[in-house]
Amino acid sequence: ETGVTQTPRHLVMGMTNKKSLKCEQHLGHNAMYWYKQSAKKPLELMFVYNFKEQTENNSVPSRFSPECPNSSHLFLHLHTLQPEDSALYLCASATSVGEETQYFGPGTRLLVL
Amino acid sequence: GEDVEQSLFLSVREGDSSVINCTYTDSSSTYLYWYKQEPGAGLQLLTYIFSNMDMKQDQRLTVLLNKKDKHLSLRIADTQTGDSAIYFCASVSNTGNQFYFGTGTSLTVIP
Repeated sequence: ETGVTQTPRHLVMGMTNKKSLKCEQHLGHNAMYWYKQSAKKPLELMFVYNFKEQTENNSVPSRFSPECPNSSHLFLHLHTLQPEDSALYLCASATSVGEETQYFGPGTRLLVL
Repeated sequence: GEDVEQSLFLSVREGDSSVINCTYTDSSSTYLYWYKQEPGAGLQLLTYIFSNMDMKQDQRLTVLLNKKDKHLSLRIADTQTGDSAIYFCASVSNTGNQFYFGTGTSLTVIP
């Protein structure tokens, strides 16, 4: 049990669908992250939130929309995705931005048809 | 940005030692990390080393850091089939704001 949970674990969606990924951390952390993991490519940082405020958007297309209603929850809203967006989406948390150790959730495996 | 590179695949026989290598480019990285990802699972923090250290040992794991060459390695002694996974090397920016991950090395342990 890592203390970081993600739902759903698997998701299949069409290009016209709207879906959301959810991340929840039970560690009392204030920083949360979204990463994209594609096969044979380095992990790509997507978004960083610190105390519910977005501090980093790593040139992510607008079809990905993050939301952080509180320090324990992080969402990634998906809309009109492309097949190349199929990947494993990982959420991580840390005590705060600037703290070096991040703890990861199990990820959501997304397939866009 | 930082480049972190790893070889993609490694196969070893059960009981042998495994050595997974990683190179990075940002000399200001303060910490360097090794994460393990088992099939269907997220990333699990294995160990980390502070940049002013050369070596860190933790049970079967030994991390070696050559800061001059920007080379990091993870040695797993007496490799077991349960060690089969993808191992990611990561560095953190000097602001602590961003992790940079390698592509991961897929370790296969042959019984």
